[in-house]
Amino acid sequence: AQSVTQPDIHITVSEGASLELRCNYSYGATPYLFWYVQSPGQGLQLLLKYFSGDTLVQGIKGFEAEFKRSQSSFNLRKPSVHWSDAAEYFCAVAPQAGTALIFGKGTTLSVSS
Amino acid sequence: GAVVSQHPSRVICKSGTSVKIECRSLDFQATTMFWYRQFPKQSLMLMATSNEGSKATYEQGVEKDKFLINHASLTLSTLTVTSAHPEDSSFYICSARLGGQDTQYFGPGTRLTVL
Repeated sequence: AQSVTQPDIHITVSEGASLELRCNYSYGATPYLFWYVQSPGQGLQLLLKYFSGDTLVQGIKGFEAEFKRSQSSFNLRKPSVHWSDAAEYFCAVAPQAGTALIFGKGTTLSVSS
Repeated sequence: GAVVSQHPSRVICKSGTSVKIECRSLDFQATTMFWYRQFPKQSLMLMATSNEGSKATYEQGVEKDKFLINHASLTLSTLTVTSAHPEDSSFYICSARLGGQDTQYFGPGTRLTVL
């Protein structure tokens, strides 16, 4: 069965510092990969997605993610974090386009000043 | 971008009553809608998949008679929690997908509290 692992439950980063959130998936083939952000009381907002092609994907709000097949990973990065980036981040996979998503447990990002 | 709304955003009900949650795609026609449940500090778990005009497909362990899903039109799906109990208290989130596309758009969620 497919699964998604986000090893870090909570990360604190200083404002202006770089960020990397880890995501590993378990699936036989290359799944469709997503990163979502959820702010308190808000719905999920899509940051970026990877289906095929260039393994470095650019998203909104200055985020990017790199797909590494050999490591079954899809880590999210941002070169300089802003206080407004504090939120819950979810990595998700779908075995096929348009199918339901399987989510990781999420990583809570706190930003210190 | 595509917008999905949910109503109500927050509801409190007494144990034993039923609650209906609406999920609407505001600017596109959603052939498929998904319902997820999120417990505090937990991930989202898929409850069911609904396709317009057909019966919903429920995930293992989700009681279809308790969580009634109707997807009567291309812009509206409803989730009715019947005979609600305190353990049904949770955050319910829907998502919608336009046929032929690969991206789901999520609603803002509904916080259900059963007293």
